Amino acid sequence: DTGVSQNPRHKITKRGQNVTFRCDPISEHNRLYWYRQTLGQGPEFLTYFQNEAQLEKSRLLSDRFSAERPKGSFSTLEIQRTEQGDSAMYLCASSLSPGGGTEAFFGQGTRLTVV
Amino acid sequence: SQQGEEDPQALSIQEGENATMNCSYKTSINNLQWYRQNSGRGLVHLILIRSNEREKHSGRLRVTLDTSKKSSSLLITASRAADTASYFCATDSFYNQGGKLIFGQGTELSVKP
Repeated sequence: DTGVSQNPRHKITKRGQNVTFRCDPISEHNRLYWYRQTLGQGPEFLTYFQNEAQLEKSRLLSDRFSAERPKGSFSTLEIQRTEQGDSAMYLCASSLSPGGGTEAFFGQGTRLTVV
Repeated sequence: SQQGEEDPQALSIQEGENATMNCSYKTSINNLQWYRQNSGRGLVHLILIRSNEREKHSGRLRVTLDTSKKSSSLLITASRAADTASYFCATDSFYNQGGKLIFGQGTELSVKP
């Protein structure tokens, strides 16, 4: 494993359905981040984990969104009762830190389309 | 909200020319990073410059950082068609302990062969 892996790469769902995305970080990385990117914009921070602890959540992360990182390895991001405004690219990144300041490695993203 | 603002939003040049992209940010930072994104793909890390550094080189890339002006620039020399992509600056804020990145809106670079 040489990179961050995200599955699925694409997801089309009907409005109101629940979806779950998975991210497998680089194995020795202790930090894992979720970002959301809409067309023509830069990624926006959603949440991050240090090992299994979720340490920060953006105000963008409504109560329909939940993320987990059991055992500090892979992470899942679930969106309940999807809305058309949830259509975006969901990016996962991981890094190795103490102290911050290290580069983040991104996965290829999951593109969500809500119809 | 995005911390960074990038300029220009779009840039079109001929192969072999140099491309310069600028980024401004608002708060004190630990470091600033540049990423490249090909259409519909994930982000690729290009270079990281720390707040106590003023210039950094990596291959054909040159990054400068001016913390007094809260700005950075990315220079790509001798551009190639394969450099066509979106380029984002991202800041790791001094006030943030978690290493989260705040991205600009990006510069879309088109290099014509």
